[in-house]
Amino acid sequence: KQEVTQIPAALSVPEGENLVLNCSFTDSAIYNLQWFRQDPGKGLTSLLLIQSSQREQTSGRLNASLDKSSGRSTLYIAASQPGDSATYLCAVPYSGTYKYIFGTGTRLKVLA
Amino acid sequence: SAVISQKPSRDICQRGTSLTIQCQVDSQVTMMFWYRQQPGQSLTLIATANQGSEATYESGFVIDKFPISRPNLTFSTLTVSNMSPEDSSIYLCSVELGRGSEAFFGQGTRLTVV
Repeated sequence: KQEVTQIPAALSVPEGENLVLNCSFTDSAIYNLQWFRQDPGKGLTSLLLIQSSQREQTSGRLNASLDKSSGRSTLYIAASQPGDSATYLCAVPYSGTYKYIFGTGTRLKVLA
Repeated sequence: SAVISQKPSRDICQRGTSLTIQCQVDSQVTMMFWYRQQPGQSLTLIATANQGSEATYESGFVIDKFPISRPNLTFSTLTVSNMSPEDSSIYLCSVELGRGSEAFFGQGTRLTVV
């Protein structure tokens, strides 16, 4: 059974810091991993999608890596800004399906 | 990509009543899903909305409580029936354009049951 864990659960940093958010999954037989952002009381915004054949993906100040063999992914946020404050979720598909299992999330607060 | 419109964005309902949530996608999609996010929790999959057939429910969710319709490839509804305060959650519609593709989400429906 696939389980997804995110560390840390919450993070508060001053503006300008570089951050690393962690995501672990128990079943490495995945075909992709996706990172999302969720603002309070809102839906999800897709940040990055990494296919199982890829090692990393980049979008602006965001970089996500994937190590299937160790069951881990990291989301790196460079030069954090107050506008980055949100909850960050990672998700992987159930084995052999399209359906996603979500991690527990990391609540990020970037202080001005 | 896909743009998803979800209605209503929020509602406050009396216990014992039902609420139907609508999900409209700007393109035809095969895979459409409904998720629930309880307060302070992550997302949990309720069901897969199948076009032309009954929805496929995950463990712990039943059709009598969460009936789902999928009349075509761009639209689905989720009804939360006979609501209780425990049903207070954000309900989210999601679509995927194919295996291995990106998942897209609506903005969610924030439901409060009083």
